[in-house]
Amino acid sequence: NAGVTQTPKFQVLKTGQSMTLQCAQDMNHEYMSWYRQDPGMGLRLIHYSVGAGITDQGEVPNGYNVSRSTTEDFPLRLLSAAPSQTSVYFCASSYSTGGLSEQYFGPGTRLTVT
Amino acid sequence: QQPVQSPQAVILREGEDAVINCSSSKALYSVHWYRQKHGEAPIFLMILLKGGEQKGHDKISASFNEKKQQSSLYLTASQLSYSGTYFCGTEIRSGGGADGLTFGKGTHLIIQP
Repeated sequence: NAGVTQTPKFQVLKTGQSMTLQCAQDMNHEYMSWYRQDPGMGLRLIHYSVGAGITDQGEVPNGYNVSRSTTEDFPLRLLSAAPSQTSVYFCASSYSTGGLSEQYFGPGTRLTVT
Repeated sequence: QQPVQSPQAVILREGEDAVINCSSSKALYSVHWYRQKHGEAPIFLMILLKGGEQKGHDKISASFNEKKQQSSLYLTASQLSYSGTYFCGTEIRSGGGADGLTFGKGTHLIIQP
């Protein structure tokens, strides 16, 4: 199993550009989520999904969109990038039947917006 | 609202013990603990469900005080490999199912030989 994969590993965007961060898992996990990590702030939840076709907002959803058309994939879209979105983004998945279990994190995407 | 972790940082000699605390102002369903090394993804350590259970993993254990909404992570006889940043993640479950983890800002642990 590849576990949780994320692409790209690094990305530089200009203000106003759009892009999609890709996340995929091959563990048949129901629950997937996106976090951003900034120095001194810990991990903050952006969006999450409890299954295909179901998504919900986390703590810091503004400026980001998600969709979950399959169990395996959970892309994160930045519609109009801003410097405040410079961060490291982690995707995570876990097996969930109602409560959260161990979360498996992807390797992260380091995004810089200039 | 983010749980509060303490201390923010701690430096130990190899073989010493450490305690990391995590507290929340909200009623918790579960507490998760993760460790992250610089430039890497967080790695799962353990989950504690409400009910005051204590779990252990090798020389790392944790407790969860449901009444105080607090959890503590205990590292016994620390090893160099324990160095990293420790995060607690709290689950509130306002609805019927899982609604995500809220992580603290982390505790930086440095183990010196």
